[in-house]
Amino acid sequence: DFQMTQSPSSLSASVGDRVTITCRASQGISNFVAWYQQKPGESPKLLIYGASSLQSGVPSRFSGSGSGTDFSLTISSLQPEDVATYYCQRYNGAPLTFGQGTRLDI
Amino acid sequence: EVQLVESGGELVLPGGSLRLSCAASGFTFNTNAINWVRQAPGKGLEWVSAISGFGSSTYYADSVKGRFTVSRDNSRNTVFLQMDSLRVEDTAVYYCATVASTRYTLYYFDHWGRGTLVTVSS
Repeated sequence: DFQMTQSPSSLSASVGDRVTITCRASQGISNFVAWYQQKPGESPKLLIYGASSLQSGVPSRFSGSGSGTDFSLTISSLQPEDVATYYCQRYNGAPLTFGQGTRLDI
Repeated sequence: EVQLVESGGELVLPGGSLRLSCAASGFTFNTNAINWVRQAPGKGLEWVSAISGFGSSTYYADSVKGRFTVSRDNSRNTVFLQMDSLRVEDTAVYYCATVASTRYTLYYFDHWGRGTLVTVSS
């Protein structure tokens, strides 16, 4: 079965910190990776697609990188409103697969 | 503005059935595939099903294959998820989401509804 292994599962950081979350695919998937942010009680929100393209309206402190099997989401300067759970997703075929999520606290 | 509104979630007994609806507005409905994603209480996201813009292609996660059926009525801008033989482990918030391309059914999601809660319990 295809897997997206996300790490860490939880993370605590301070305002202004640079934060990186990683996702490893069990097979090569080119750049077919998206990242979502889900705040408590809300629906997920698209941040990054194509591994590194920033969705319109998303602050530029968010960035994505990677190709093949290893991907990362970076927040360059953590803000209080970034408290959320973050998920990676691969989308190059069925079944669409999400990572287990990374809970980010301040 | 794109809007997706799920409805139909409720408490149901194991083995029971439920039909969820996803009403859409703000875009040309029949050009976009719609997917269902669920989230069990306190857990992560799990993709459930997908249907193409005209309904000719459908896809299912192994965990629901043979029990769930996705369909759409483009005259009513609505997608349905018929859920049969429900199990306790199907308990979750069910979201519908649009794919960010008119070319693909399986893709990333640019708009999500608020979700509807399905509870399977005796």
